[in-house]
Amino acid sequence: IVLTQSPATLSLSPGERATLSCRASHYIHTYLAWYQQKPGQGPRLLIYDTSNRAAGIPARFRGSGSGTDFTLTISNLEPEDFAVYYCQHRSDWPLTFGGGTKVEIK
Amino acid sequence: QVQLVESGGGVVQPGRSLRLSCAASGFAFSSFGMHWVRQAPGKGLEWVAVIWFDGSQTYYLDSVEGRFTISRDNSKKTLYLQMNSLSVEDTALYYCARAASTSKFGDQYGMDVWGQGTTVTVSS
Repeated sequence: IVLTQSPATLSLSPGERATLSCRASHYIHTYLAWYQQKPGQGPRLLIYDTSNRAAGIPARFRGSGSGTDFTLTISNLEPEDFAVYYCQHRSDWPLTFGGGTKVEIK
Repeated sequence: QVQLVESGGGVVQPGRSLRLSCAASGFAFSSFGMHWVRQAPGKGLEWVAVIWFDGSQTYYLDSVEGRFTISRDNSKKTLYLQMNSLSVEDTALYYCARAASTSKFGDQYGMDVWGQGTTVTVSS
């Protein structure tokens, strides 16, 4: 299963809304997770099974979608939200990640 | 606190072997599945392998199957990745990650704890 993320880069200002897309090459039900990665750090689980926030994740992170099209929305961007975001499916083995979307400060 | 610490990375020639370790602390290691995920320099994340909480099941990325072996020692709270016949394409930062699940027998829905990674460089 190939996951295609778009856009590759998103240039936004603090306080704006970020909308990130992840499209799967095959049906994956709602078995999609989102991760955030900052430079020099391991990834952090944000969302699992499309719309469930992981422990400690703020409500401004919202996941949606089903089937093959999924979206991560970050409302009211905070300075600490500028990072790279990856989607990952768990529909079958092998697991795969999308290529990532970098959210950068405009 | 909950922590994963990888070790064992280094510079190795093509065709040689390396064994990575991941020491877990702060949680019931024997109750969780564990993953290895790698990241080539400047690239995205690539899942490598998974092992069930009791070692009963393993799955691999196609390109490493037959060359890499994931294993664990629950008495030592340690995860391993034995890497044989290494190639330059295996050059990456290797992370271990805990499989997030509702229980040891439940669905694994993500990776909720990650280490800082250990670097493997394959070069002649």
